[in-house]
Amino acid sequence: AQSVTQPDIHITVSEGASLELRCNYSYGATPYLFWYVQSPGQGLQLLLKYFSGDTLVQGIKGFEAEFKRSQSSFNLRKPSVHWSDAAEYFCAVIKEYGNKLVFGAGTILRVKS
Amino acid sequence: EAGVVQSPRYKIIEKKQPVAFWCNPISGHNTLYWYRQNLGQGPELLIRYENEEAVDDSQLPKDRFSAERLKGVDSTLKIQPAELGDSAVYLCASSFRKGYEQYFGPGTRLTVT
Repeated sequence: AQSVTQPDIHITVSEGASLELRCNYSYGATPYLFWYVQSPGQGLQLLLKYFSGDTLVQGIKGFEAEFKRSQSSFNLRKPSVHWSDAAEYFCAVIKEYGNKLVFGAGTILRVKS
Repeated sequence: EAGVVQSPRYKIIEKKQPVAFWCNPISGHNTLYWYRQNLGQGPELLIRYENEEAVDDSQLPKDRFSAERLKGVDSTLKIQPAELGDSAVYLCASSFRKGYEQYFGPGTRLTVT
């Protein structure tokens, strides 16, 4: 069965510092990959997605993610974090087009001033 | 464009009582999803509808959970009777078709006492 691992439960960064959130998936072929953000009391918002092509994907709010097939990873990055980025971030995969999303357990980002 | 609407936002009930959640997807979205998100975890799919047909309900505990989408638009998820372990956030999402980007509602936080 496919699975998604987000090894960091909590991450704290200073405002203005760079950010990298890790995501690894377990599946033989290349799945479709997503990053979602969830603010307290809110639903999930899609930040970016990777289906094929360029392995560096740009998303909303200044986020980007890089797909590395050799490492089965899809890490999320942002060069300079803002206090409003504090939220929970979920990595998710679809095994193949049309199948259900499988989510990781999430990483809670705290931003300190 | 209006997003996915869910109600109620919060619900507190005693165990063994029934409860129902309502979801109105984005206009024109044929695919509707119900997810359950336990504390500290990512969402897990309960059921997926293509128009009014439930096409993936393998994760729905059918002894106590039921769902309907009678006219292929809004949907209701019901639990009867509720158990303590049902305390979670219930998220509704919709997409234009299966495999397309999913848009999430704010969720209903259920507490069973």
